[in-house]
Amino acid sequence: SQQGEEDPQALSIQEGENATMNCSYKTSINNLQWYRQNSGRGLVHLILIRSNEREKHSGRLRVTLDTSKKSSSLLITASRAADTASYFCATENNQGGKLIFGQGTELSVKP
Amino acid sequence: DAGVIQSPRHEVTEMGQEVTLRCKPISGHNSLFWYRQTMMRGLELLIYFNNNVPIDDSGMPEDRFSAKMPNASFSTLKIQPSEPRDSAVYFCASSLRASSTDTQYFGPGTRLTVL
Repeated sequence: SQQGEEDPQALSIQEGENATMNCSYKTSINNLQWYRQNSGRGLVHLILIRSNEREKHSGRLRVTLDTSKKSSSLLITASRAADTASYFCATENNQGGKLIFGQGTELSVKP
Repeated sequence: DAGVIQSPRHEVTEMGQEVTLRCKPISGHNSLFWYRQTMMRGLELLIYFNNNVPIDDSGMPEDRFSAKMPNASFSTLKIQPSEPRDSAVYFCASSLRASSTDTQYFGPGTRLTVL
């Protein structure tokens, strides 16, 4: 079964607005990663947040982690058309080593 | 660095034919991952190697799929015989180590169509 599940499945916003994507997972984790995938391309790592961190920033990205609720959110502020992509959360399985990816949120930012 | 290199980028073949996908990981990376992505099933890990040794192949769909890593700079994923349901985008990724804290670097993928 999926370890990480994102919602919403699809999100459409106007340029300049903020975009928030959520990820829920099932088992205890040591860390959670967010990746981005442009259409027709491979995934690109965005940010990693460890289980002892509650919030992390990288440029216009803000990631939060609530281990009590087993959930994470990715916030993109002041979105741009170039942010249009699919965004995936990834968590480790309980044996470590391999990542389990969610189904992703498809973000569309309209100019 | 050229990043993870995959070939071919696109492959169209007929059912029953053998398909070989190739991957060159980033130099110095010790772990290599093969994924399959479809609309229905999302991104699935098929197999991963650490120091050229297969660690976990539980995601390989069936015996028609096999993967090898003869050396640190090359891996293949073979499907024999191929079936239409194998149509998907296959990604190779590499990382320094097989650790959940390590970033995985993905190749551009091979889009496979089996007719």
